[in-house]
Order: sequence, then C-alpha cells, then structure tokens
Amino acid sequence: GAGVSQSPRYKVAKRGQDVALRCDPISGHVSLFWYQQALGQGPEFLTYFQNEAQLDKSGLPSDRFFAERPEGSVSTLKIQRTQQEDSAVYLCASRPTGLATDTQYFGPGTRLTVL
Amino acid sequence: GNSVTQMEGPVTLSEEAFLTINCTYTATGYPSLFWYVQYPGEGLQLLLKATKADDKGSNKGFEATYRKETTSFHLEKGSVQVSDSAVYFCALSVSNFGNEKLTFGTGTRLTIIP
Repeated sequence: GAGVSQSPRYKVAKRGQDVALRCDPISGHVSLFWYQQALGQGPEFLTYFQNEAQLDKSGLPSDRFFAERPEGSVSTLKIQRTQQEDSAVYLCASRPTGLATDTQYFGPGTRLTVL
Repeated sequence: GNSVTQMEGPVTLSEEAFLTINCTYTATGYPSLFWYVQYPGEGLQLLLKATKADDKGSNKGFEATYRKETTSFHLEKGSVQVSDSAVYFCALSVSNFGNEKLTFGTGTRLTIIP
C-alpha cells in the first residue's frame, strides 16, 4: 500500500519568506509526528498529533513554527519568516495507534534550504 | 530526560565481516527500542525493534537484544554485504500519555567494501 508522502521534496526559500510543508500519512493512522533532521544528525522531535488534536508541540523551536492537522489526516508544517538556521530535512511519520511499542513509518522528507 | 548514545562513525568494513554498532540509552520509564536504517537516497525505515527486556529483534540478518541491566541495544550482523551500506539510527520511545515520540541517536554511517 501507499506509504507516507511529503511535498515538496525540496524547497529553497529566501530568508524571511514563509513556507508550508505537507504530509500525507498512511490512511487510517492515528498518530502523526514531525521531526527535524540537521545534516549529520539524528531526527529531533518537533510536534505530535493524535487524530486532529495536537497533543505535544514542545519541540517546536520558536513561535515561527506552526503545525496543523485539521481533519485528522493530512498535516501541514508552516514556518514563518524563515531563517538560515531553519535549513534542515523535515520528516513526517505516522503510526497506526497511540502506542509507544508501535512502529512509526517515515516519509521521504522535505529538504529545506534557506538562503 | 531520554537520550540515546550510539557509536560514532563512519564505519568501514569488508564484505562478510562481522558488524557491531553500539547503542546505549537513558530513559525515564520503560522504553521500547528501535533500529532504523536510511539507505542512500531513501527515507528512514524500521530495521528491527524490541519492546521489553531480553527481547531480541531481528530482520535481514541483523539482531539486537534489549539489555535492561546495561541499558544497551547493540546492533549485530554476522556477515555484512555491500547492500548494507547505509546510515543506522538507534532510537527509543517511552509510553507517555499524550506523546510517545522517538528519541534518536546521531546515526552511524556504515560502508561495506567488496
């Protein structure tokens, strides 16, 4: 079946621009996560949704970052007034349930470059 | 807080060599442990997992045993192939009402030469 998809795959933004990154999770998956992966590092947690509820946004680095999942399926991560330090790969993952033991399935990521 | 420390790379081995990638963890609570792999040009995918102490996860010839006494989850393979060249990430997730996010190590880049 279809996996997690993300768009765009690559995004180049000028400093100060707003960007929106989209995630289409596996159909029926309850949980959705966003992670940020800097070059040469492991992914770091940004935010978590269970259905349409954003249950944890403790990893968002500043109030310029905003995420939503209004109907409990597709999610959008928005970054306002992008800065160079926002350059990274943004990963989306979905999970069938809310259980820690369950596997998270990752999308291919969106590589954001801020000039 | 929760953290994962894994063996720094890069690691280069000859084909058919024995592989160990060390991973240790610190967690508040009782974690589930995972190894994810990222092949060149591809996304992260689960390699194996273990959800309780002494469990052994295995897949594609790779194995890792959940050792609570040493807080470790080392990845091993008896005979590596060129196709195993990838970046390997150790990760944990702790049951926490409202969020069971993954905490990752920094990754170990493995290169297998023929």
